[in-house]
Amino acid sequence: QITLKESGPTLVKPTQTLTLTCTFSGFSFSTSGVGVGWIRQPPGKALEWLAVIYWGDDIRYGPSLKSRLTITKDTSKNQVVLKMTNMDPVDTATYFCAHSRIHYNDVSTYYYFDYWGQGTLVTVSS
Amino acid sequence: SNELTQPPSVSVSPGQTARITCSGDALPKQYGHWYQQKPGQAPVMVIYKDSERPSGIPERFSGSSSGTTVTLTISGVQAEDEADYYCQSADSSSSYVVFGGGTKLTVL
Repeated sequence: QITLKESGPTLVKPTQTLTLTCTFSGFSFSTSGVGVGWIRQPPGKALEWLAVIYWGDDIRYGPSLKSRLTITKDTSKNQVVLKMTNMDPVDTATYFCAHSRIHYNDVSTYYYFDYWGQGTLVTVSS
Repeated sequence: SNELTQPPSVSVSPGQTARITCSGDALPKQYGHWYQQKPGQAPVMVIYKDSERPSGIPERFSGSSSGTTVTLTISGVQAEDEADYYCQSADSSSSYVVFGGGTKLTVL
């Protein structure tokens, strides 16, 4: 059974760095094609993908936030950490981590998120 | 463009068929995946690789693809299907993930 859970601060001040941890069970990064991604959702708005890291250290970032994001994994602890610098009130959102699968074929690479954590609401305010 | 465009809302009566479209220039080359999100809950994947249904997802959920559009079809809609639905794919170079803007399905 695959489970994921996000943890981190619920309130951060503008300009601070947000650090979120995703702790998972039921899978490991030793499996080919496995990864963990982060997706956020501002209140009342759509999902926005942030970053994903795969078993072979294949790392991808959303182009609009790439300069502010760092994603890393700790395989010994079954954790993935996302850091986002220079937080702003517009970054207020529920942040989800999710199990991802990546597949390579002759035409393209495709990836999706098949198990999600419950999400954690992060508010940015002074 | 690497965007995915969905209609903001779709309304159907119980028992009818709902169709939610998602359009994007990269879709002829990329698969589309669909997620259901109910208020206050995390998204749940209902379709992947255009038309594959994960285990545990009811058979009334199906998907299809044609050209620059992928479509989620819910046959025999039930009240419990009322939710937001998001399509997801990748850009044409497979470098990053893209989500659509979401469609609110209302069951009348």
